[in-house]
Amino acid sequence: DAKTTQPTSMDCAEGRAANLPCNHSTISGNEYVYWYRQIHSQGPQYIIHGLKNNETNEMASLIITEDRKSSTLILPHATLRDTAVYYCIVRVAVRGSTLGRLYFGRGTQLTVWP
Amino acid sequence: DVKVTQSSRYLVKRTGEKVFLECVQDMDHENMFWYRQDPGLGLRLIYFSYDVKMKEKGDIPEGYSVSREKKERFSLILESASTNQTSMYLCASSLGGGVAKNIQYFGAGTRLSVL
Repeated sequence: DAKTTQPTSMDCAEGRAANLPCNHSTISGNEYVYWYRQIHSQGPQYIIHGLKNNETNEMASLIITEDRKSSTLILPHATLRDTAVYYCIVRVAVRGSTLGRLYFGRGTQLTVWP
Repeated sequence: DVKVTQSSRYLVKRTGEKVFLECVQDMDHENMFWYRQDPGLGLRLIYFSYDVKMKEKGDIPEGYSVSREKKERFSLILESASTNQTSMYLCASSLGGGVAKNIQYFGAGTRLSVL
């Protein structure tokens, strides 16, 4: 049960901003949203996470709506190396443990073209 | 940088063989995970461990076992490999504790083919 919905694929011109949407309408108050990406034949790579405030780091920005039912990952200046599958994940707490499960859905295949 | 190292990138085994997939992390992380990834099915959690000698079943533990004798090493064992275990296997680790510490870092993966 991935608990998130993402488009199957998107594309973007190199140098432009890539905006990847994610719906998580059943998210509960203490669940964080995580974004990972997976470049072909590599392991997933952490990008960013957030709870309710917008977040930015050296890789991307994360915009979470006020009702927290959806979010958008923004790659401000996409490059060819950003071509990957992007996963939006809601962390689920494991009962009796601080260890959070991450459910990876099918993600969004982002293709950046020259 | 966190480094999660999987012992092999590619592995070919025969049906019925016992297979060991090894994973080592160098950041003193408490939690370690084994996933498999198949086309159209995404990543599925096989087993995880939150401490030495501790293990928990994930979503698809059947046909697998794990071992964590040292904090830095987490092994996935296929007791008797079968063709339906042909897959990409991914190991991950996380520090544990608060939410930021639960960021999982992944190895490059082992592509296992069982013939």
